[in-house]
Amino acid sequence: GAVVSQHPSRVICKSGTSVKIECRSLDFQATTMFWYRQFPKQSLMLMATSNEGSKATYEQGVEKDKFLINHASLTLSTLTVTSAHPEDSSFYICSARDARGAGNTIYFGEGSWLTVV
Amino acid sequence: KQEVTQIPAALSVPEGENLVLNCSFTDSAIYNLQWFRQDPGKGLTSLLLIQSSQREQTSGRLNASLDKSSGRSTLYIAASQPGDSATYLCAVTYSGNTPLVFGKGTRLSVIA
Repeated sequence: GAVVSQHPSRVICKSGTSVKIECRSLDFQATTMFWYRQFPKQSLMLMATSNEGSKATYEQGVEKDKFLINHASLTLSTLTVTSAHPEDSSFYICSARDARGAGNTIYFGEGSWLTVV
Repeated sequence: KQEVTQIPAALSVPEGENLVLNCSFTDSAIYNLQWFRQDPGKGLTSLLLIQSSQREQTSGRLNASLDKSSGRSTLYIAASQPGDSATYLCAVTYSGNTPLVFGKGTRLSVIA
């Protein structure tokens, strides 16, 4: 079945540094990928929609200059948290839409735990 | 604003019991609805996807129903097992290209 790989699964960084998280669709091409953020015991909050070859669409309240999204190929989208601060510590999850067939099924990566110290 | 509500927020049942999780959505013009499972600290696993034209989907001990007109879906788990303990998330999408809108989930604990 379709698989979405997310890397790294856990990362600890110092405050003020930048961290890049990768999201790959392994056996299908994903023209659209989504990035979510999840705080403890909360649901997933959509941050942005990543479209291959064009600029990402950010949700209201999400700083595009802080959360840089690049979707350079049909199988890879990256989220870079720039100048990270402790309040950016969270669980980040990507998803990719598999448009094959009629389902338009969305598959999720395993998520990335970011801790900013 | 499109919202998805899940009730109950948490549920604890003894092993072997059948149970129902509820999901409601404010805008009934959905494209499809998905149920996911999330284990603590992990990503999401898709359980069942129901297209807007369908009324239910089944996979093993799981059965999901959809009543689009009333904006409701249920996830029925038969003969629950401790391994079913997880958070179950309901999510809808309103077209083939828009992102999922998630509920806050139901945290299920199945006690052996």
